[in-house]
Amino acid sequence: DIQMTQSPSSLCASVGDRVIITCRASQSISTYLNWYQQTPGKAPKLLIYAASGLQSGVPSRFSGSGSGTDFTLTISSLQPEDFATYFCQQSHSSPRTFGQGTKVEIK
Amino acid sequence: QVQLVQSGAEVKKPGASVKVSCKASGYSFSSYDINWVRQATGQGLEWMGWMNPNSGNTGFAQKFQGRITMTRNTSISTAYIEVSSLRSEDTAVYYCARDFWSGYSPYYYYYMDVWGKGTTVTVSS
Repeated sequence: DIQMTQSPSSLCASVGDRVIITCRASQSISTYLNWYQQTPGKAPKLLIYAASGLQSGVPSRFSGSGSGTDFTLTISSLQPEDFATYFCQQSHSSPRTFGQGTKVEIK
Repeated sequence: QVQLVQSGAEVKKPGASVKVSCKASGYSFSSYDINWVRQATGQGLEWMGWMNPNSGNTGFAQKFQGRITMTRNTSISTAYIEVSSLRSEDTAVYYCARDFWSGYSPYYYYYMDVWGKGTTVTVSS
């Protein structure tokens, strides 16, 4: 199975900050990498697909990059509604493994 | 609008089985696979498996082999997952999610673009 490792596991940031979350795959997955946002008590929401594709309706302050084994999710200017947990997930091969999550908290 | 509506919460005893449903609306049910993902309280997301509603073909994460069954009823656009031999570690919220795809042969990208709200399954004696 492909292991997905996110860093950091949690971070504290202020509104307006630029936030970068990284995700590393245990083997090359090309750009078969998706990012999801989850707020407490809610289902995950797709933000980024295929490493850099912005899902319809997602604000442009979210962006994704990377290929091979190293990926990043960037929030250019953190907004109050962005305090949540973020998960990466690979769709290169089965099982479709997720990272352990990165919790973004208010400083 | 496109949505997946899941069945209500369940409480089961260890060793029992549970069947969760996921009703699709707003799109052609047979056109996209359905994934099942679960999440224990305070934990991360765990992908369980997928089902093709058109063919009924399924695929599972190895840890669930032999213990989960995924089926569908295309006449009512509903997918099901049944988990047998329940144990306390199966206590979690179970989500269904549509497996959207884009790209061109052979480079197809798959991602879960629509999710159900989740079904809480509690296993307790």
